[in-house]
Amino acid sequence: EVQLVESGGGLVQPGGSLRLTCTASEAIFSTYNMNWVRQAPGKGLEWLSYINSDSTTIYYADSVKGRFTISRDNAKRSLYLEINDLRAGDTAMYYCARDTGFHNWCDPWGQGTLVTVSS
Amino acid sequence: IQITQSPSSLSASVGDRVTITCRASQGLGKYLHWYQQRPGSAPKLLIYAVSNLQVGVPSRFSGSGSGTAFTLTISSLQPEDFATYYCQHSYSAPYSFGQGTKLEIK
Repeated sequence: EVQLVESGGGLVQPGGSLRLTCTASEAIFSTYNMNWVRQAPGKGLEWLSYINSDSTTIYYADSVKGRFTISRDNAKRSLYLEINDLRAGDTAMYYCARDTGFHNWCDPWGQGTLVTVSS
Repeated sequence: IQITQSPSSLSASVGDRVTITCRASQGLGKYLHWYQQRPGSAPKLLIYAVSNLQVGVPSRFSGSGSGTAFTLTISSLQPEDFATYYCQHSYSAPYSFGQGTKLEIK
């Protein structure tokens, strides 16, 4: 079973930028469609973005369109989420999850990387 | 597509049968899934495509529904089931989650 490991989180000042990375344990990552999901402290899950295996199809939540950019490098078995103009409301745990099956459920999930936006 | 999950919290006892509901603003076909999240952990898939139990998930969990109304049922609560549960649709982007149901021990 593939394992996903997120990295790149940390403390960032408002207005700054950050790139999160999700690294897969298997080379077959190149065939996976992927999602980013976040969870603010004490809040529910928020779906953010989707990218298909060859990067030809990308979707975003309306709330992050224009500031977030999803991308991937299959040779590096890596998924990325670039976040610009960071705001306090972006403080959250960020998870990557594989988009699985004909009906597109999320499984498995990584353990998450925490982004804190504060001055 | 708007997803409304209810209740937002639920207090129950070990052995109880509980039901959580998700309603969608339009029909979802089979594009509705359920997740469990324990404190400090990533979400875990429980049920996919409305009614299919993920491998390794106990059979006391079940999902049902059609159209715009879906339910997650736990037939006999066990101590490890006290967690937060989310539904998610994947019918069309943007995919979205329900608001979550926190299941607490009575």
